[in-house]
Amino acid sequence: GIQVEQSPPDLILQEGANSTLRCNFSDSVNNLQWFHQNPWGQLINLFYIPSGTKQNGRLSATTVATERYSLLYISSSQTTDSGVYFCAVEDNAGNMLTFGGGTRLMVKP
Amino acid sequence: ETGVTQTPRHLVMGMTNKKSLKCEQHLGHNAMYWYKQSAKKPLELMFVYSLEERVENNSVPSRFSPECPNSSHLFLHLHTLQPEDSALYLCASSQGGLAGSDTQYFGPGTRLTVL
Repeated sequence: GIQVEQSPPDLILQEGANSTLRCNFSDSVNNLQWFHQNPWGQLINLFYIPSGTKQNGRLSATTVATERYSLLYISSSQTTDSGVYFCAVEDNAGNMLTFGGGTRLMVKP
Repeated sequence: ETGVTQTPRHLVMGMTNKKSLKCEQHLGHNAMYWYKQSAKKPLELMFVYSLEERVENNSVPSRFSPECPNSSHLFLHLHTLQPEDSALYLCASSQGGLAGSDTQYFGPGTRLTVL
C-alpha cells in the first residue's frame, strides 16, 4: 500500500515562531488532508488539498502532487497550536485514508 | 470529555479468546470509526460506518469484525488475535460522512494486550 512519511516527528517552538511540517507519500493520490489532533482528543480537519496551495488564517498548505509531497506552514505559532499534526492520503484504489506518523508540536509560551 | 466513550479501557486477552470492544457516542453524529494506533507506527483507519454503510480497510485481518447496530454504538469483535494486534484501539465519530470530511471526536481508547 501507499506509504506516508511525516517530518519532523517532534517539534518544539517558542510562541510566535514559524514552522514547516512536511508530508511525503509514495504514490499518486486522489486526496490529501492535514489534521490537527488537539490534547482533548479532537481530530480537526485543517485542509483538503490534493494539489495547489490553500490558506486559512495563520495556516497554509501546499501540495505538489507530481513530486509527492505536501507542506503545512504555521506562522506566528500560539500555544493552542500544540498537538499532533497528521497528514493522510486517499490513494487511487479506494476511499480509505492512510495516515502518516504525525508531527508532535509543542508551542511554549 | 469529548462525548465518545469506550469500554473497556484496558484489556488483556489470550490468543484463543473472544472479546468485544464497545464505543458509544453522545454527540448525535452520523459516522463512527475504528482506528488502530500501534507503537511507532502510523495511525491506521480500520473501519468506517456512515449512515449504515460500512467501508473497510482491505488490509485489516478478518479476526477483527465490526458491528454498528445504530448510529450511537459501535463494536469491534475480536477473535483468535495475535500478539502483534496489541495496540491502542480508538473509536471516533463525526457529524458527516466518510473519514476526513468533518472534525472527528475521539474516545480515550482501549489498550489491548494479546498474550
